[in-house]
Amino acid sequence: EIVLTQSPATLSLSPGERATLSCRASQSISSYLAWYQQKPGQAPRLLIYDASNRATGIPARFSGSGSGTDFTLSIGTLEPEDFAVYYCQLRRHWPPYTFGQGTKLEIK
Amino acid sequence: QVQLVESGGGVVQPGRSLRLSCAASAFTFSSYALHWVRQAPGKGLEWVAVISYDGNYKDYADSVKGRFTISRDNSRNTMFLHMVSLRADDTGVYFCVRGNSYDYFDHWGQGTLVTVSS
Repeated sequence: EIVLTQSPATLSLSPGERATLSCRASQSISSYLAWYQQKPGQAPRLLIYDASNRATGIPARFSGSGSGTDFTLSIGTLEPEDFAVYYCQLRRHWPPYTFGQGTKLEIK
Repeated sequence: QVQLVESGGGVVQPGRSLRLSCAASAFTFSSYALHWVRQAPGKGLEWVAVISYDGNYKDYADSVKGRFTISRDNSRNTMFLHMVSLRADDTGVYFCVRGNSYDYFDHWGQGTLVTVSS
């Protein structure tokens, strides 16, 4: 069973700063990783797929990197609307479609 | 604009059943796999079940296997989740989700709340 561990649990930053979120897999998953953003009371939104590809309509300040077991979501210059919870997710594996526990990005 | 609209949630006693529906529009429904993902109050996301574009392949999380059944009606652009023997830990918002060609979740409904309580 592959486990995804996200860090930190909470990240406190100010608008205009750069954010770096981490997701670590318990074993190699190649590049089969996605990142989602969820704001309070809303459904999640796909940001990044296959570790580094931006989904349709996602601003260029969002970027993903990594392969194997270590992955990073970077947000270049934080906008007020970027403060949310971010989840990483494994594509089909066993257990399938596993999510990380989430990182809350909050305003400092 | 792709739309996924869930319905059927509500308050149900432990051990009872409930059926959720997901009505889709603005895309070729019969070409896409669909999923249910749930979120307990204040918690993270948990994948629940998947059904292939033609309904011939289905898979479930261990936590719901044997109790939940996913199905779809491509003639009505609708997906279902039939839940039996509901438990308190099944409580949460249930999202209907479209799987894209890369097997990621590219469109989500707004969710329907299921509360299992006596």
